[in-house]
Amino acid sequence: QQQVKQSPQSLIVQKGGISIINCAYENTAFDYFPWYQQFPGKGPALLIAIRPDVSEKKEGRFTISFNKSAKQFSLHIMDSQPGDSATYFCAARITSGTYKYIFGTGTRLKVLA
Amino acid sequence: NAGVTQTPKFQVLKTGQSMTLQCAQDMNHNSMYWYRQDPGMGLRLIYYSASEGTTDKGEVPNGYNVSRLNKREFSLRLESAAPSQTSVYFCASRDRVGRIYNEQFFGPGTRLTVL
Repeated sequence: QQQVKQSPQSLIVQKGGISIINCAYENTAFDYFPWYQQFPGKGPALLIAIRPDVSEKKEGRFTISFNKSAKQFSLHIMDSQPGDSATYFCAARITSGTYKYIFGTGTRLKVLA
Repeated sequence: NAGVTQTPKFQVLKTGQSMTLQCAQDMNHNSMYWYRQDPGMGLRLIYYSASEGTTDKGEVPNGYNVSRLNKREFSLRLESAAPSQTSVYFCASRDRVGRIYNEQFFGPGTRLTVL
């Protein structure tokens, strides 16, 4: 019940295309859903995040779509660029004051020039 | 403002050896976390500290101990290293209030190999 399932494991997209990464969860106690971007040899960095009372959040080329009833959320990268090539992790945060984060297994994105 | 720093960057241990991974943050954050990252498994929480003086187990605490030395520092200790602990270890910190509420900041990681 604590898991966050992420797909696909890897993704190859042409430059200018749309990259879509999906995540699903079971625990309705999660209250915050961030996406992290990680480049090789670096730590993850927050990319964009959403709360469950919002269905969509957009920041530049990055959009999170959130479906509370289906317990699913996804990251869309519009006009994908080679510089977007990285590993992307979705996560969900548990409430109750502990603020523990449960991460998906990651998606390795490669954008071809 | 260095953010989250971790030492060492790389370490090779033999089975049974012990070591401590160090983490420090200069952002005056209350919460700190230790994760391990393994291929195909994402990041898994080992231990976390919601505030100075408190620590709690995460998903995979076995074989590890932690110390929240003060508000800045949170160390992770392997008492008797095993090959299964070969991984990349990340420390993170998070503030509860202010403009960047909710965001975790990660350190650069420690690559640990246990032979």
